[in-house]
Amino acid sequence: GAVVSQHPSWVICKSGTSVKIECRSLDFQATTMFWYRQFPKQSLMLMATSNEGSKATYEQGVEKDKFLINHASLTLSTLTVTSAHPEDSSFYICSARGDSGYEQYFGPGTRLTVT
Amino acid sequence: ELKVEQNPLFLSMQEGKNYTIYCNYSTTSDRLYWYRQDPGKSLESLFVLLSNGAVKQEGRLMASLDTKARLSTLHITAAVHDLSATYFCADLAYTDKLIFGTGTRLQVFP
Repeated sequence: GAVVSQHPSWVICKSGTSVKIECRSLDFQATTMFWYRQFPKQSLMLMATSNEGSKATYEQGVEKDKFLINHASLTLSTLTVTSAHPEDSSFYICSARGDSGYEQYFGPGTRLTVT
Repeated sequence: ELKVEQNPLFLSMQEGKNYTIYCNYSTTSDRLYWYRQDPGKSLESLFVLLSNGAVKQEGRLMASLDTKARLSTLHITAAVHDLSATYFCADLAYTDKLIFGTGTRLQVFP
């Protein structure tokens, strides 16, 4: 099956610093990638959708200047949390969709802790 | 408003028993997904239901889709401890984005 990786799997950073999370599709080309955030004991909330070579589309309430998304190639998307604060601490999960159009493959997630 | 509701939110059941998790969604979508999530982990795909009347089974889990009622069910047969996890349904809305349900935390005890 299709595999999506994320790096790092966990990260601890100080308040005010920036953190970059990578999402890679390992064995297929991802025309669309999605970024989700999940707080403890809650469901997944979609943050943004990105298509290769174009600007990401952000969901309502998600600050595009704070959560920078780049989808530079068909196998790589990055999420940068800028000027992180403790309330940004969360589990960030990416998913990727190929040409089939209906199946999304989820990465293993990145746990971000901001101190 | 695009909405996906699951019930129950929490389910504690004894091994060997049967139970059903319900997923109601608000769109006219005919694509419904079920996922499993273990604590601290990401999502594992269980089922993809692509049409009205679709039924899929894997082991002790069976999922079905009724697009007219906008309802999907996940039926658990003879539960075992290994099934303890959180289960999410998700609707692929006309926006082409997955809208996740609230999740059902399942705990199976001896």
